[in-house]
Amino acid sequence: DAGVTQSPTHLIKTRGQQVTLRCSPKSGHDTVSWYQQALGQGPQFIFQYYEEEERQRGNFPDRFSGHQFPNYSSELNVNALLLGDSALYLCASSLGRRNEKLFFGSGTQLSVL
Amino acid sequence: GESVGLHLPTLSVQEGDNSIINCAYSNSASDYFIWYKQESGKGPQFIIDIRSNMDKRQGQRVTVLLNKTVKHLSLQIAATQPGDSAVYFCAESGNTGKLIFGQGTTLQVKP
Repeated sequence: DAGVTQSPTHLIKTRGQQVTLRCSPKSGHDTVSWYQQALGQGPQFIFQYYEEEERQRGNFPDRFSGHQFPNYSSELNVNALLLGDSALYLCASSLGRRNEKLFFGSGTQLSVL
Repeated sequence: GESVGLHLPTLSVQEGDNSIINCAYSNSASDYFIWYKQESGKGPQFIIDIRSNMDKRQGQRVTVLLNKTVKHLSLQIAATQPGDSAVYFCAESGNTGKLIFGQGTTLQVKP
């Protein structure tokens, strides 16, 4: 049973560029949440997708957007990258929207130069 | 605003000893709490959770205690092993449904 998988594992971009990160949830899960984790900090909630719609959003600008597909997989898009967007981006999946027992992937390490 | 914080950034224990990691939360409406372990280069790994209608829950070698009166959460690890070395995060979820993480405590296990 595959857990949460994310791709790519590492990514290097320059300021102003756009990036797309991908996530496949744990088998049986229907909800995907994205988190940003800066070095030495706890994960910060970006948004949650359920039934292909954004259901909740954290305090992140509109440059951060996402999508969920019918197979429950999800993408996170970040436009107009800033140096401060450099972080580990984590995808978590769960069953239902309650945000309980989230299972996390290993993340995508994004470096913006 | 809502916040979840940890009392100590680093905890160093001897192998075989018990570890206690503490966490304070500020949102009295929080009704679900969870502990995660994060090893270097990996995503957070679920350890144990507890709902606000309980004050104690036990797992394998781990116990979570919840004191709603003082808004305090703790994780106890029995017979700490080198493999327990990691960063531990508490997180809470309340009426917003969002999971809010603290900043983490690094647990170092000395052989």
